[in-house]
Amino acid sequence: GQSLEQPSEVTAVEGAIVQINCTYQTSGFYGLSWYQQHDGGAPTFLSYNALDGLEETGRFSSFLSRSDSYGYLLLQELQMKDSASYFCASPTGTASKLTFGTGTRLQVTL
Amino acid sequence: DAGITQSPRHKVTETGTPVTLRCHQTENHRYMYWYRQDPGHGLRLIHYSYGVKDTDKGEVSDGYSVSRSKTEDFLLTLESATSSQTSVYFCAISEDGNQPQHFGDGTRLSIL
Repeated sequence: GQSLEQPSEVTAVEGAIVQINCTYQTSGFYGLSWYQQHDGGAPTFLSYNALDGLEETGRFSSFLSRSDSYGYLLLQELQMKDSASYFCASPTGTASKLTFGTGTRLQVTL
Repeated sequence: DAGITQSPRHKVTETGTPVTLRCHQTENHRYMYWYRQDPGHGLRLIHYSYGVKDTDKGEVSDGYSVSRSKTEDFLLTLESATSSQTSVYFCAISEDGNQPQHFGDGTRLSIL
């Protein structure tokens, strides 16, 4: 089976940098994805790390260390619109089925 | 945005009644998924499909069945709804089973 652990809540100031961590235990590993979900909305894909290292997409970056069973999402130059829940997720088995972490609620304040 | 439509968007029904949720896609993607989202649990996979008439169980499949008779439609059925199935249900699609998955806007289902 798979389990992914994330902090439940994080608060940060507008313009700052915040890191959301995800640790996982898996019976097989096919990479780590990150999804954003605003209240009342649908999850939207942010990034995917199949291999170790850093992936950068604009203000968002994601990092993976398979030896440490650990990844993180880094959000820079925080904006109020970044207030949302962020989920790490990992494909299971045949790489078709996602197992999600319980999510981290990010609150961006002035 | 990926063309995914879920219907209905909201539904209230009574315990013991059958309920069918529909997911319709216009992207011709091979893979389709049904998730439920509950506070404290994140999203959990119910069933998924890897082609027409090809489906498999997910993490929380008990009490649910699915059908996919056409590429574009994936139906989720609760044969006899229970209060524990009150949840927000999301459909997702994937072109080839890899990342990313694209999600519909969800169906809020309340079972009284």
